[in-house]
Amino acid sequence: AQKITQTQPGMFVQEKEAVTLDCTYDTSDPSYGLFWYKQPSSGEMIFLIYQGSYDQQNATEGRYSLNFQKARKSANLVISASQLGDSAMYFCAMRPRTGANSKLTFGKGITLSVRP
Amino acid sequence: DTEVTQTPKHLVMGMTNKKSLKCEQHMGHRAMYWYKQKAKKPPELMFVYSYEKLSINESVPSRFSPECPNSSLLNLHLHALQPEDSALYLCASSPGGQNNEQYFGPGTRLTVT
Repeated sequence: AQKITQTQPGMFVQEKEAVTLDCTYDTSDPSYGLFWYKQPSSGEMIFLIYQGSYDQQNATEGRYSLNFQKARKSANLVISASQLGDSAMYFCAMRPRTGANSKLTFGKGITLSVRP
Repeated sequence: DTEVTQTPKHLVMGMTNKKSLKCEQHMGHRAMYWYKQKAKKPPELMFVYSYEKLSINESVPSRFSPECPNSSLLNLHLHALQPEDSALYLCASSPGGQNNEQYFGPGTRLTVT
């Protein structure tokens, strides 16, 4: 079984500052993928970044980077130079990389508000 | 192009109505998904189609009936829904089967009256 934990209450950050959104996970699968999605109030789930469990380097995509600490089972999302448009709900998710029917398991999400 | 489209954007239906939600992708993805999402909660998986065949049904009530007419199209047929079925219904697709990131559509906001 897989579990994703996102325990931070609503997060606030000043525009142009960096923010870290926490995510810890638990799994017995030897190979897995970790994902972050952004969901603005409009509802669309936007894929942000992916980290494979055997990837040697932390993933980066523009202003997004994933601080992957495998031994601690954490996959925190770092957003640099926050923008007002970053205000949204953020979901951490994972799935095993083996098995034809592997499912994506989501955390409960974190609400981020960017202040001007 | 990483676009998944969904129609309609909003739907209001009575409990005796029959309606359908439509999802389309032209990225050549071979897995497609239906999720249900309540406000401020994570999406809940309903169905997965892999190579146009139903591979996962998460014990969804039969009043929800999925259909995958071809590799680009996914429908969700709705009949005799309950008010508690009101939610955002999200469609997603992923390349090369299920072991890749999923790309989501904008969703259909469903209200059952």
